[in-house]
Formats: sequence, structure tokens, C-alpha cells
Amino acid sequence: DAGVIQSPRHEVTEMGQEVTLRCKPISGHNSLFWYRQTMMRGLELLIYFNNNVPIDDSGMPEDRFSAKMPNASFSTLKIQPSEPRDSAVYFCASSTTGGSTEAFFGQGTRLTVV
Amino acid sequence: AQSVTQLGSHVSVSEGALVLLRCNYSSSVPPYLFWYVQYPNQGLQLLLKYTTGATLVKGINGFEAEFKKSETSFHLTKPSAHMSDAAEYFCAVSASWGGGADGLTFGKGTHLIIQP
Repeated sequence: DAGVIQSPRHEVTEMGQEVTLRCKPISGHNSLFWYRQTMMRGLELLIYFNNNVPIDDSGMPEDRFSAKMPNASFSTLKIQPSEPRDSAVYFCASSTTGGSTEAFFGQGTRLTVV
Repeated sequence: AQSVTQLGSHVSVSEGALVLLRCNYSSSVPPYLFWYVQYPNQGLQLLLKYTTGATLVKGINGFEAEFKKSETSFHLTKPSAHMSDAAEYFCAVSASWGGGADGLTFGKGTHLIIQP
């Protein structure tokens, strides 16, 4: 398996623009997570899905952030409009069901909003 | 609610010396505990995990960790550091959630520096 695949790896955009990050989880995994990593706040869970259904989005910082999982093999995280403080590395991770199972992480998307 | 505290944002050891990275957790339910490693510009990779059973857990690259419930700790150790161990290490906790994984709560991370 190719692992969790995220695209793009790097994104530079201007403030106010819409940004869409993409994630393909590992086949057979039914839980998907979006994390954000910054120097100041470390790794933060933004939202997670179980069987394509959003379970907890309490980590989503503002209404400017939205996430979807239209099917088991694809998820998006959208920021509209983007702001400089959204600059971070965004990770997608997937796992099978159960709190004891580890999450497998993608390589991340480094987002820079100028 | 659950939380993780990693003591020391930076730890420096000499090559060949013992590595000890500290992690304390708080969880309202029996926890699942994980250590992940992150190399520069990479995603996180699982080193080891504790679920149930034996409290001393062995992972990849010679690392191990011991779950101590009385101390709410899950410290990571390696007997002899190698230059390739230089990376960021994250301790994480997950609570059992009926029906599905509920996501990991991470510590702030510890940057491990290996001195030649």
C-alpha cells in the first residue's frame, strides 16, 4: 500500500484566497483525521471522520475551515478565506476502528499564506 | 478529557549514551499510549504503542517504553543513541471510544539532538 497520500505537498497562497487540501487514506481504514502542526501550538486534531461521517469537529478553529469526506477514499480540508495565521503543516492520518489502533500519517501539506 | 505532557522541548545526548524522553499523561479512562517520531519534512511514524498487557513495550529502532500507571508515565528509552535518532518525538494518548478511533492527543514534542 502507498500509505496516506496528501496533496499538494506545498501550497503558497495569498490572504483571502480559498485553499483546498486533499487526502487519500489507506484502503480499508475507516477513520480519518486532520491535524494541524505549528511551532506555537504543536499538533492539534482538527476533525475526524468514522465511516465517512464527521464525528468530532470541535478542533476546527473557525467557520472558515471545513472538511468533507464524500467517500471512503477521499477527504478534503478547505479554508475560505485563508489568513496568514493559517500557515502551518496540515497532516491527514487514517486508521482502522478502535482506540488502540495507531494512526498512519501522510507526509503533510505545508501551507503558507502571504 | 485527556492530555499529554512531555518534559523538555529539547534533549541533547552524546552518541552511544542513554536516551530518555519523558512523557506523562492524563486520562479519565484507561489509556492507549503511543510514541511517534518525526524526521524533518516528514510525517509521523509510529515507534511503539501500549494498549493492554505487558507494560514494557518494545518498538522499532531499539526504542522501548514502560507504562507506569501509578506514575501516569510512559517514558521512552534507548540504551545507546545513534546519530540517525536525531528527530522530533511525540508522545500521544488515545481514549477508548465505543465504535471507532477518537483521535490522538499529542504532547508538544521533544527535539532529540545527538552530539557526536
